[in-house]
Amino acid sequence: DTAVSQTPKYLVTQMGNDKSIKCEQNLGHDTMYWYKQDSKKFLKIMFSYNNKELIINETVPNRFSPKSPDKAHLNLHINSLELGDSAVYFCASSRGHVVHEQFFGPGTRLTVL
Amino acid sequence: AQKVTQAQTEISVVEKEDVTLDCVYETRDTTYYLFWYKQPPSGELVFLIRRNSFDEQNEISGRYSWNFQKSTSSFNFTITASQVVDSAVYFCAQYNTDKLIFGTGTRLQVFP
Repeated sequence: DTAVSQTPKYLVTQMGNDKSIKCEQNLGHDTMYWYKQDSKKFLKIMFSYNNKELIINETVPNRFSPKSPDKAHLNLHINSLELGDSAVYFCASSRGHVVHEQFFGPGTRLTVL
Repeated sequence: AQKVTQAQTEISVVEKEDVTLDCVYETRDTTYYLFWYKQPPSGELVFLIRRNSFDEQNEISGRYSWNFQKSTSSFNFTITASQVVDSAVYFCAQYNTDKLIFGTGTRLQVFP
């Protein structure tokens, strides 16, 4: 069974569209994260949720809205997509605090045309 | 401010060579945590190790070893007898105020 899963794996869309990426973990973790990896492989945190509560919002444009319906899910909705949003988005989870190892999903490659 | 520097952008070696990936960190905290992650060509991120600031003992796991030196603020990663399957981007990271700060990564290419 996949520990952290994301859908879709690839997402190609036009500028101005709204899209969502879903993330689910079956590890029983209570903390989940979204990261963005740009074309130069630079990896940066966007959000973290602990027990459905937002802990970190790392100066991400408010076009990005995370939603955590329960501890096992953290979805990312993006409004009015821009070219610069093209990247690979990774979901991750950890047991409690971030000092524990984080388990990453396979990533979603978003391409905005 | 906390920062992680991986000065080596890319390293190429031939199979069976030993290779060391450098990681230098900056922090004013007395308690901190350091990590290494591997990102193979398939794209997923794989946890390799976590080390806290109170444990300077070097760690060995098979062909992998880590050298933590507080005196030089370094947490280097050595692969012994490298294999083609070791080809990946390796990230060093530091825990800082509820989040992981990643270095820019070192791309390792191991040629047969």
